[in-house]
Amino acid sequence: GAVVSQHPSWVICKSGTSVKIECRSLDFQATTMFWYRQFPKQSLMLMATSNEGSKATYEQGVEKDKFLINHASLTLSTLTVTSAHPEDSSFYICSAPLQEGTDTQYFGPGTRLTVL
Amino acid sequence: GESVGLHLPTLSVQEGDNSIINCAYSNSASDYFIWYKQESGKGPQFIIDIRSNMDKRQGQRVTVLLNKTVKHLSLQIAATQPGDSAVYFCAESPHYGGATNKLIFGTGTLLAVQP
Repeated sequence: GAVVSQHPSWVICKSGTSVKIECRSLDFQATTMFWYRQFPKQSLMLMATSNEGSKATYEQGVEKDKFLINHASLTLSTLTVTSAHPEDSSFYICSAPLQEGTDTQYFGPGTRLTVL
Repeated sequence: GESVGLHLPTLSVQEGDNSIINCAYSNSASDYFIWYKQESGKGPQFIIDIRSNMDKRQGQRVTVLLNKTVKHLSLQIAATQPGDSAVYFCAESPHYGGATNKLIFGTGTLLAVQP
């Protein structure tokens, strides 16, 4: 079964609104989680590394004030897309290692965001 | 934003044939590699991984080969089935051990299995 879950699986919102996406590790703790964005027919692009109890680390070109990440517990990281615009429409996916310090990451099912 | 007209490389095979999907990685410091399978509308699913101290690893119906000299990775799928149809991504990690490190994904290959 799935080891990483995401909620919601899809969301449609109006331009200018904010959307929160949750990523949960199931039956294991994850001090580190990763957030990716994927446009149609393209690869996964890492957006940021979510660190439990500290600030997220953003990849170059990703606006930290637009994509707010909070990792308040060992099983939950949230990504909030603030003031969403149509160009933010994408497939957002999170991942986590089953065991901290290991390299194998397991991915959530993804969240399809459509901004009208 | 989205790139109009972008198409994934496609590999079309007959059911029952063997498939070989190739990947060139960029960072010579990468020492851990993973293959993922992604079906439409879903998150990537782990298939098999390999460390840089190995050049071959086998799983159930899958084999990964690593050639560090030319920075090349391949995934071989034996007796390909219609359920294998998906996009396959290779990913590299530039570090082993310690804190979990981020993955860098390749462009992906669409495997289309013809019945």
